[in-house]
Amino acid sequence: DAKTTQPTSMDCAEGRAANLPCNHSTISGNEYVYWYRQIHSQGPQYIIHGLKNNETNEMASLIITEDRKSSTLILPHATLRDTAVYYCIVLGGSEKLVFGKGTKLTVNP
Amino acid sequence: EPEVTQTPSHQVTQMGQEVILRCVPISNHLYFYWYRQILGQKVEFLVSFYNNEISEKSEIFDDQFSVERPDGSNFTLKIRSTKLEDSAMYFCASSYRGWGNSPLHFGNGTRLTVT
Repeated sequence: DAKTTQPTSMDCAEGRAANLPCNHSTISGNEYVYWYRQIHSQGPQYIIHGLKNNETNEMASLIITEDRKSSTLILPHATLRDTAVYYCIVLGGSEKLVFGKGTKLTVNP
Repeated sequence: EPEVTQTPSHQVTQMGQEVILRCVPISNHLYFYWYRQILGQKVEFLVSFYNNEISEKSEIFDDQFSVERPDGSNFTLKIRSTKLEDSAMYFCASSYRGWGNSPLHFGNGTRLTVT
């Protein structure tokens, strides 16, 4: 079962930052926080992952709280093409990636 | 950027028939996976494969399913005798390492329709 809690849905205006929260209060020291997204029925797309430190790449930023019990994915300038289901997943060791229901993000014009 | 490719994009088959879904993982990746997603439901893990053997499988992955890496590039999922409930999107994924600091990269899936 998924070890994370995410809001079911969120809305964001095009051009604004989208901040997607995730709670993972039972995360252990060697587990990573991963974010994926799924647009329509396409394959899940890897976005970013992190362990303790904040991470940034060309797609997004990941902010992990100091106690690691929650994180936020930031899409700095959301576009209509960012409308998707976003999955926050905790993964460690040789565990398999387990998808929950995610957050359906709708970017509005 | 390297990507996972899957063929066919859509497969229609009759109940009881065998199907083979094909995947070409990213070339330097060592771990391979199949997931599926029934319409409107979560993405579910089926099986992971490393060093030419199954490393983990889910309850869904029963005797009707098998996986194979027949050569250095392809990774296949075979369903021996399809059932209506096998209708789903099937996603192949690969990763360089099979642990926490190695992202899985997914293909765009094969939509399997069993009639």
